[in-house]
Amino acid sequence: EPEVTQTPSHQVTQMGQEVILRCVPISNHLYFYWYRQILGQKVEFLVSFYNNEISEKSEIFDDQFSVERPDGSNFTLKIRSTKLEDSAMYFCASSDAGGAVGNTGELFFGEGSRLTVL
Amino acid sequence: AQTVTQSQPEMSVQEAETVTLSCTYDTSESNYYLFWYKQPPSRQMILVIRQEAYKQQNATENRFSVNFQKAAKSFSLKISDSQLGDTAMYFCAFNTPNFGNEKLTFGTGTRLTIIP
Repeated sequence: EPEVTQTPSHQVTQMGQEVILRCVPISNHLYFYWYRQILGQKVEFLVSFYNNEISEKSEIFDDQFSVERPDGSNFTLKIRSTKLEDSAMYFCASSDAGGAVGNTGELFFGEGSRLTVL
Repeated sequence: AQTVTQSQPEMSVQEAETVTLSCTYDTSESNYYLFWYKQPPSRQMILVIRQEAYKQQNATENRFSVNFQKAAKSFSLKISDSQLGDTAMYFCAFNTPNFGNEKLTFGTGTRLTIIP
């Protein structure tokens, strides 16, 4: 069964360093997302991406964050200068919804990338 | 803004028993979807069940069913004949249809443990 894959599963970095989290969405999906979950808190929407541009972003997704789909398969989240509060589990997700009748609204999630900023 | 509240941080039940997880939400929208996602330890979140707000009939998926009370903005999940594999974090989530842009609002989750 097709699934969303994420790498790395865990990354430890020093504050101020740049981090790139990678995701391979399900191949026929059109929308791509990043969510994050700080330990003990709820899963929060960061950004959605469609047709090679950001569809929507949350207030969390400030200038230190960027997303890119550099080729036909990968979808990346870059954090330019990490802060301690960026420590979290980052989830990539994808969906095949196109707004047509019968849109299921289902997201398919990866297993997450745990980022630890020291 | 939409909010989703799960008031039970942790629950545990004996195997084969029935358990109900609570979820309430707040929205001014009339058309929306509600979901329960399951996150087993060290595994990805998977969709358990989905309910469209315009449907009055409660959704069911095998041992999983919901009690959707639209006026009360309540969306509880019932797991019948619970199994050890049901041990997981369960998240209630909400979104409004937006041409495929599935921006979910999650609750804080309920950690469910099934005891052998």
